Amino acid sequence: KQEVTQIPAALSVPEGENLVLNCSFTDSAIYNLQWFRQDPGKGLTSLLLIQSSQREQTSGRLNASLDKSSGRSTLYIAASQPGDSATYLCAGGARYKLSFGAGTTVTVRA
Amino acid sequence: DAMVIQNPRYQVTQFGKPVTLSCSQTLNHNVMYWYQQKSSQAPKLLFHYYDKDFNNEADTPDNFQSRRPNTSFCFLDIRSPGLGDAAMYLCATSNQGGGSTDTQYFGPGTRLTVL
Repeated sequence: KQEVTQIPAALSVPEGENLVLNCSFTDSAIYNLQWFRQDPGKGLTSLLLIQSSQREQTSGRLNASLDKSSGRSTLYIAASQPGDSATYLCAGGARYKLSFGAGTTVTVRA
Repeated sequence: DAMVIQNPRYQVTQFGKPVTLSCSQTLNHNVMYWYQQKSSQAPKLLFHYYDKDFNNEADTPDNFQSRRPNTSFCFLDIRSPGLGDAAMYLCATSNQGGGSTDTQYFGPGTRLTVL
């Protein structure tokens, strides 16, 4: 069974600093790895999806990498803004069967 | 805009009283999912439909059932809610085939309170 871990559980940074969010998973045979954003009391918004054959994906200020051999994915957010404050979750596993981490709650201080 | 809609957004029920949560989508996706998310925890997959093919997770309690009468709608039925079933219930969709990437699109969730 896929286990996904995100450390730290919470992170606070000043505006403008780059964010580095970590995700580790136990089964390297993942179909894809997805990063989501969740605002308090809301649903999840997809940020990036990395297929198992890919090493990274980029969208604007966001870049996610995937290293299946070490069981790790990292989400980089460049030049953080207060609007980036949210909980970020990663998820991976078999197709149609995502296992989620509990998330890292990010606070960007103005 | 194409989207995933969940109704109601907030649901209060009594211990043991059956409740149904609704999800609809305008994305025309063939896969629909139900997740349970308790406070500060990871979302947990309950089951998913691939078209009309129902796939239950092994550890989903029998108390939870689902129906998908057509492509657009999916329902979560909780037959006898217990206090431990209080949670946010998230519906999601994805599309398989035609070069899709399996990105999951989530609705806003229904927060269930059990009294």
